[in-house]
Amino acid sequence: EAGVAQSPRYKIIEKRQSVAFWCNPISGHATLYWYQQILGQGPKLLIQFQNNGVVDDSQLPKDRFSAERLKGVDSTLKIQPAKLEDSAVYLCASSFTGGRKLGYNEQFFGPGTRLTVL
Amino acid sequence: GQNIDQPTEMTATEGAIVQINCTYQTSGFNGLFWYQQHAGEAPTFLSYNVLDGLEEKGRFSSFLSRSKGYSYLLLKELQMKDSASYLCAVRGSPSNDYKLSFGAGTTVTVRA
Repeated sequence: EAGVAQSPRYKIIEKRQSVAFWCNPISGHATLYWYQQILGQGPKLLIQFQNNGVVDDSQLPKDRFSAERLKGVDSTLKIQPAKLEDSAVYLCASSFTGGRKLGYNEQFFGPGTRLTVL
Repeated sequence: GQNIDQPTEMTATEGAIVQINCTYQTSGFNGLFWYQQHAGEAPTFLSYNVLDGLEEKGRFSSFLSRSKGYSYLLLKELQMKDSASYLCAVRGSPSNDYKLSFGAGTTVTVRA
């Protein structure tokens, strides 16, 4: 079974530039998550999709970050304009169901995109 | 909200045992996960506890005490490949859509 795919793996941009990340979840997984992981910290949820609808985007800085999941499969996360503090690894994860089902519901993570903002 | 604490770093010798503690204070609790994350790689699932007690899976075991807000991950017969960051994550309440909140991670270094 193919895992969660992300691209690019690395990106270096200057502040105030724009950047976009792409994620392809595991086939059949309805729920997709974007996390931000700053060096030395645990992942922080930015946005959660259930199919193509947003379930939770309470921690997404909406003045500069946007995300979409058209057709309920692939997703893109965009930052416009980038700031120095956006330097982090952006992790995409997927799960078979969303959190509304108790039980296991393991999240599978992609390799991440390491963003450096200069 | 969620407050999750775990030690920053631990060092142990190959073949030894290491116990990584995690304490949490949460507004809702619906399970605790442990993930392993090697440097530059994605987190990978290790264990899930929702009831009190010990779950054993090969060299790794995880314990949960809900009344104490406490969990630990036990790594036995340490191998060099176990050098990684170990993330404790708590799943929140239904009103929070069972969102996962992660601790900052414990970096384990295994020495020969």
